[in-house]
Amino acid sequence: QKEVEQNSGPLSVPEGAIASLNCTYSDRGSQSFFWYRQYSGKSPELIMFIYSNGDKEDGRFTAQLNKASQYVSLLIRDSQPSDSATYLCAVGGNNDMRFGAGTRLTVKP
Amino acid sequence: KAGVTQTPRYLIKTRGQQVTLSCSPISGHRSVSWYQQTPGQGLQFLFEYFSETQRNKGNFPGRFSGRQFSNSRSEMNVSTLELGDSALYLCASSYLTSGGGQETQYFGPGTRLLVL
Repeated sequence: QKEVEQNSGPLSVPEGAIASLNCTYSDRGSQSFFWYRQYSGKSPELIMFIYSNGDKEDGRFTAQLNKASQYVSLLIRDSQPSDSATYLCAVGGNNDMRFGAGTRLTVKP
Repeated sequence: KAGVTQTPRYLIKTRGQQVTLSCSPISGHRSVSWYQQTPGQGLQFLFEYFSETQRNKGNFPGRFSGRQFSNSRSEMNVSTLELGDSALYLCASSYLTSGGGQETQYFGPGTRLLVL
């Protein structure tokens, strides 16, 4: 079992829809959770981080964390074509950061 | 603040050669992590340095090594290059609190290595 799992996609949504990206992790001691966006040929850039159970909203983005279920998600409201990218889930422990393989999102005009 | 910088941005080497990549973290960041990214494997953790000490290491052969200097700049070295080492090598820096845990990592633009 991989330590951080994501659906590889591709996930395709129409412009204006809600995109839902999911991530599960295996280490119950994980303390911090991050979502990165990576455009083709570019390096990952941070979208959001979340440390506590519940929801955290930032503009069109909402991160949701459920430590009991070892599950973290990212919702993108009013999806735009510019949101088309690979989204990486990252889980931080005491001394390291583990990344999922990423979900490729395509937003169609 | 200036972001994470990596040099060189592109590199072409031949099998058997060795290569050194450099990373300068964001000012004030003392943790530097290195990753290898390939289309098939995604982001693979290589190692992390904090205050000139390697704190954690991924599952890579000994041909991959690194070090960190007193100014937090880091280098990674790959010896005896193989075709499979062709990848994007990413460096990320973070500010670790004294309480431990992983703070946000900020990535550099990467070094794209091609081994022929």
